[in-house]
Amino acid sequence: GAVVSQHPSWVICKSGTSVKIECRSLDFQATTMFWYRQFPKQSLMLMATSNEGSKATYEQGVEKDKFLINHASLTLSTLTVTSAHPEDSSFYICSARDPGPSSQPQHFGDGTRLSIL
Amino acid sequence: AQSVSQHNHHVILSEAASLELGCNYSYGGTVNLFWYVQYPGQHLQLLLKYFSGDPLVKGIKGFEAEFIKSKFSFNLRKPSVQWSDTAEYFCAVNRNSGNTPLVFGKGTRLSVIA
Repeated sequence: GAVVSQHPSWVICKSGTSVKIECRSLDFQATTMFWYRQFPKQSLMLMATSNEGSKATYEQGVEKDKFLINHASLTLSTLTVTSAHPEDSSFYICSARDPGPSSQPQHFGDGTRLSIL
Repeated sequence: AQSVSQHNHHVILSEAASLELGCNYSYGGTVNLFWYVQYPGQHLQLLLKYFSGDPLVKGIKGFEAEFIKSKFSFNLRKPSVQWSDTAEYFCAVNRNSGNTPLVFGKGTRLSVIA
């Protein structure tokens, strides 16, 4: 089945560091990928929709200059958390949908746990 | 905008008990509905989905869900749970048009005890 690979799985870094998270669709092409954030014991909150070859669409309240998204190819989207601070510590999950209509399921990566000291 | 409500935060059941997890959504248009499961330490996996046709859909591992349009509901059921069903369950919805992302409920943690 379709697989989404996310890397790294865990990052611990100092405040002020920028962190890049990669999301790859391994056996299908994804023109659109989605980035979610999940706080402990809470649901997944959509941060942005990443579109191959164009600018990402950010949800209300998500700082586009803080969370830089690049979708340079049909199989790779990256999320860069710039100048990360402790409040950015969270679980970040990427997702990609099988090509086709909106009824196609989204496939999820294993997530990246980001801890900012 | 769509929203999804899952009524139960944490459900504790004994093995072989029947399960029903509630899910309601708010959106006036046509939607696709999904249930995902997240086992401890693993990524989200699709249990089942509904987009058209028979409102009673069957998924993997003996799960099923029924779409009741008049109630804006998509409850998840299983007749007899097993210890291995212990996980977090998420209901999700997206608009049935374009490449719209899933909107998730807060999730329900299911603990099955032997």
